[in-house]
Amino acid sequence: DAGVTQSPTHLIKTRGQQVTLRCSPKSGHDTVSWYQQALGQGPQFIFQYYEEEERQRGNFPDRFSGHQFPNYSSELNVNALLLGDSALYLCASSRTSGGAGETQYFGPGTRLLVL
Amino acid sequence: GQQLNQSPQSMFIQEGEDVSMNCTSSSIFNTWLWYKQDPGEGPVLLIALYKAGELTSNGRLTAQFGITRKDSFLNISASIPSDVGIYFCAGQMTSNFGNEKLTFGTGTRLTIIP
Repeated sequence: DAGVTQSPTHLIKTRGQQVTLRCSPKSGHDTVSWYQQALGQGPQFIFQYYEEEERQRGNFPDRFSGHQFPNYSSELNVNALLLGDSALYLCASSRTSGGAGETQYFGPGTRLLVL
Repeated sequence: GQQLNQSPQSMFIQEGEDVSMNCTSSSIFNTWLWYKQDPGEGPVLLIALYKAGELTSNGRLTAQFGITRKDSFLNISASIPSDVGIYFCAGQMTSNFGNEKLTFGTGTRLTIIP
């Protein structure tokens, strides 16, 4: 049973460019959350997707957008990249069942470096 | 964004020692989680706590959900080399709709001195 997978593992972009990161959730999971982890800090919530819609959003600008596909996989898009967007981007999957006990499982992350 | 206060920020211990770390929040949560993150990897769930006052163990790890719902602690007994890494607490509010976002702590870096 494959866990959460993310691609690519590493990425180098320049300021102003756009980037797309991909995530496949753990088997049986229908909810995908994205987090940004700057160096030396804890992960910060970006947004969560369920039933192909953005269900919750953290304090991130509109340059950050996402998508969820019918097979529950998800993409994170960042436009007009800034140096400060350099971070580890983590995808977490879970199952929405309407109560406590559905924990989030993380992928290995995509390391983005903006030059 | 909000980050929970975690202490200590780093710990240097010898193999076999016990470890204790805690996490505090200005707001309440109804679920507390503890994760461990190794370099280049995503966080791995260690323990989940769902009820105020709950004490839960997972092998050498023991965690407690504070009665005020604003804090939690994690103990590791008889540390071994593979315990090295960064430990994060995370708070979560769950709702009838399902699980909500995680709010993470600032992390505790554990190093074992030979």
